[in-house]
Amino acid sequence: RKEVEQDPGPFNVPEGATVAFNCTYSNSASQSFFWYRQDCRKEPKLLMSVYSSGNEDGRFTAQLNRASQYISLLIRDSKLSDSATYLCVVRRSGYALNFGKGTSLLVTP
Amino acid sequence: SAVISQKPSRDICQRGTSLTIQCQVDSQVTMMFWYRQQPGQSLTLIATANQGSEATYESGFVIDKFPISRPNLTFSTLTVSNMSPEDSSIYLCSVGMEGKEGYTFGSGTRLTVV
Repeated sequence: RKEVEQDPGPFNVPEGATVAFNCTYSNSASQSFFWYRQDCRKEPKLLMSVYSSGNEDGRFTAQLNRASQYISLLIRDSKLSDSATYLCVVRRSGYALNFGKGTSLLVTP
Repeated sequence: SAVISQKPSRDICQRGTSLTIQCQVDSQVTMMFWYRQQPGQSLTLIATANQGSEATYESGFVIDKFPISRPNLTFSTLTVSNMSPEDSSIYLCSVGMEGKEGYTFGSGTRLTVV
């Protein structure tokens, strides 16, 4: 079983739609959780950290359920510029990160 | 966040040769890592670059194939040795600071082995 698993995607949604991505992780000792965004042929960039209490950054809301080992990302009012691949990332003990395969999002006019 | 300069940005190499990738950071960082991203895949950690000592390699990666140097807190190199077409990939360095969440990535080196 992969350490980080994500929705396979791709997600094609119209502008203004709400879209949700899910992710599960296998290592219960994982310590930190993130969503990264990767544009085509670019390096990943941190979108937001994920906390058990849930956190919001503008149109983006992330949620962590430690009991279920489940992470989510909700994007409201999708913009064309949100089109990218979204990577679920988990930091295990130590400092290295484990990446999911990513979910592709295409927002269409 | 730290600014990373990774070089070269891309290269096409003959099989059997070696390529050294450099990662220069504009400030001292606690942690440096090297990742590989094969076409259509997510990132896979190759190793953690340790300052002044041997790198810590992940399962499936060995020092003879991917020697790594980290002489100080701002610089690291990854060498891809005796390359074969299977080594064609994007190689990325990543840095982080203890106590700070989220790591920064270099812009990557796109390697094609022919």
